[in-house]
Amino acid sequence: LAKTTQPISMDSYEGQEVNITCSHNNIATNDYITWYQQFPSQGPRFIIQGYKTKVTNEVASLFIPADRKSSTLSLPRVSLSDTAVYYCLVGGKYNFNKFYFGSGTKLNVKP
Amino acid sequence: GAGVSQSPRYKVAKRGQDVALRCDPISGHVSLFWYQQALGQGPEFLTYFQNEAQLDKSGLPSDRFFAERPEGSVSTLKIQRTQQEDSAVYLCASSFYSGRLREETQYFGPGTRLLVL
Repeated sequence: LAKTTQPISMDSYEGQEVNITCSHNNIATNDYITWYQQFPSQGPRFIIQGYKTKVTNEVASLFIPADRKSSTLSLPRVSLSDTAVYYCLVGGKYNFNKFYFGSGTKLNVKP
Repeated sequence: GAGVSQSPRYKVAKRGQDVALRCDPISGHVSLFWYQQALGQGPEFLTYFQNEAQLDKSGLPSDRFFAERPEGSVSTLKIQRTQQEDSAVYLCASSFYSGRLREETQYFGPGTRLLVL
């Protein structure tokens, strides 16, 4: 399983753009990159997924360079409600979606 | 319901007791996963079902842990002779398996918080 490395924590202020980078040096050809968000006392929630280049949805953008050894989750104009733990995962169909979550990045958004 | 549900939400057990944790996945979801999340850590994979078949149980920490999904829907995670180190949140997730290469999004339940005294 490809393991991931993320910063333990990040601080930001409301209205700022936040970029969280994840390293996954041994990502496999079949692996996709997925980001989840988790609030206290809740299960993780899917944010975005991509394979290469850039993916954007209504919540976030995901930037993946050509070598795919890292990825960056971009959250535009964060609010206090974005305070949560963000997990970067890599995995693919052929390992039965057995994700390695790691410890995630604790994002603290301040007023 | 629309999402994954788990019961009970909280469970306190005395060391040595057996516990059973239930997961109701989203209707029609083929894949079901169990994770264990210790305080301050990310979820760790325990086991995976595709319909009623348990295809991967490599994450189960010991033979005291047992999971089943007999009819391919509801799943139960059983822990026998609970120990204090079993205290954690147990998360269930389900996904719709389309067979395409693209990964399937996992939808998580709220978890069961187990405290073993």
